[in-house]
Amino acid sequence: GQQVMQIPQYQHVQEGEDFTTYCNSSTTLSNIQWYKQRPGGHPVFLIQLVKSGEVKKQKRLTFQFGEAKKNSSLHITATQTTDVGTYFCAGEIAGANSKLTFGKGITLSVRP
Amino acid sequence: NAGVMQNPRHLVRRRGQEARLRCSPMKGHSHVYWYRQLPEEGLKFMVYLQKENIIDESGMPKERFSAEFPKEGPSILRIQQVVRGDSAAYFCASSLAAATEAFFGQGTRLTVV
Repeated sequence: GQQVMQIPQYQHVQEGEDFTTYCNSSTTLSNIQWYKQRPGGHPVFLIQLVKSGEVKKQKRLTFQFGEAKKNSSLHITATQTTDVGTYFCAGEIAGANSKLTFGKGITLSVRP
Repeated sequence: NAGVMQNPRHLVRRRGQEARLRCSPMKGHSHVYWYRQLPEEGLKFMVYLQKENIIDESGMPKERFSAEFPKEGPSILRIQQVVRGDSAAYFCASSLAAATEAFFGQGTRLTVV
């Protein structure tokens, strides 16, 4: 069954609002990655987190890996219409043939 | 360095025909993943290959679907006797090493009529 979970599947925000989404795994992850897919496009790699408690920033995006390496968060400060898309987390489940298991993604819409 | 190339971008097949989807990974990448995506849904893992070897095919139906990644040439996802339920976008991704940054192709959108 689904081992990497992202809930909810959709979120709508007003432009300028902050946005946070979470990714949870039932098992420990060796690393976690985040991808963004624009409507009609293909997933594009954003970031990889490896260490417990790691925090990385990319401009207005902040990514965090949980202490137990079972969850991760993505925070967007002051959303813009260019942030629209589906954000996927993908985890390498320890011992699972090193394949990336993707969550179902969260589709963000931003009202101008 | 060209990115991951998938072709065709769009493929229309009648029920019962065969569909062949090709993926050329990025230069130097020996790890290839295939994912299927239905509209408004996430990426469903199908198969993970590493040059000539299938590492994990747990997400691929046992019947009608097969994948290969030969020593020379692109990776091929083959769907025999397609049915309407096979209509989806199929994405290929490649990486330099296991479970590192994956580069996705633009996908093949298969429509079965």
